[in-house]
Amino acid sequence: NAGVMQNPRHLVRRRGQEARLRCSPMKGHSHVYWYRQLPEEGLKFMVYLQKENIIDESGMPKERFSAEFPKEGPSILRIQQVVRGDSAAYFCASALGADEKLFFGSGTQLSVL
Amino acid sequence: SQKIEQNSEALNIQEGKTATLTCNYTNYSPAYLQWYRQDPGRGPVFLLLIRENEKEKRKERLKVTFDTTLKQSLFHITASQPADSATYLCAHLIYNQGGKLIFGQGTELSVKP
Repeated sequence: NAGVMQNPRHLVRRRGQEARLRCSPMKGHSHVYWYRQLPEEGLKFMVYLQKENIIDESGMPKERFSAEFPKEGPSILRIQQVVRGDSAAYFCASALGADEKLFFGSGTQLSVL
Repeated sequence: SQKIEQNSEALNIQEGKTATLTCNYTNYSPAYLQWYRQDPGRGPVFLLLIRENEKEKRKERLKVTFDTTLKQSLFHITASQPADSATYLCAHLIYNQGGKLIFGQGTELSVKP
C-alpha cells in the first residue's frame, strides 16, 4: 500500500506563473489536507477536502489559491500568479476519517524566482 | 482562537537520557492530542494519540501524558538515541466545519552521542 504521493518534489516558478501541486492520498482515504510550512515554522493549515467537497478552507488565502479533490484523480492545490512570498514547502496529508491520524506526503518545495 | 504552543528553543540532551517536550494549549481542552515526528525535508510521521480521558499513553520508549487542568501534554523519550534527533510536533483537532488538525510550531530535539 503506497503512502501519500506528492509531485513534483521540487517546483520552480517565475513570478506571475501558475503552480499546480498534486497529491494522491493513500488507498481508501477520502480525507485530504493541505499544509504550508516555512523554514523554522510549524505547519499551517490551508484546506481540508473530502471527495468533490471542500470542508474547510479557512487557512487558504482568498485570492490566487484554490484546491480540489475530484471524484477521480489526485487532489490539486493551485496557486495562480505566484509571488515570492508563496515560496514554501507544501505538504499534503490523507486520513481514513475526520478524526483519524494523518499520513503525510514528502511535500512539494515551491520556489518562486 | 485556539492555539497550541511548543517550546521553540531546541532541546539538546546526551544519549541515554530522557527527553521531555512540552505542548500547551489555550482555551478549550481538545478531545485528544496527537504527536508527530518530522525529519528535515520530510513530511511528519504520526507517533502517538492520547485522549482527554487518558492520563498516560506508552509506545516502546515513548510516553505521552495529558493534563487537562494544566492544559498541557508532555512527550517523553526514554533512553534517547542520536536517531531520535528530529523535530517533534503536537497537534489537535478543531471541530469546526468538520474538523481540521492544527499543529504547534514544533520542538527540535538533538541527541548527542
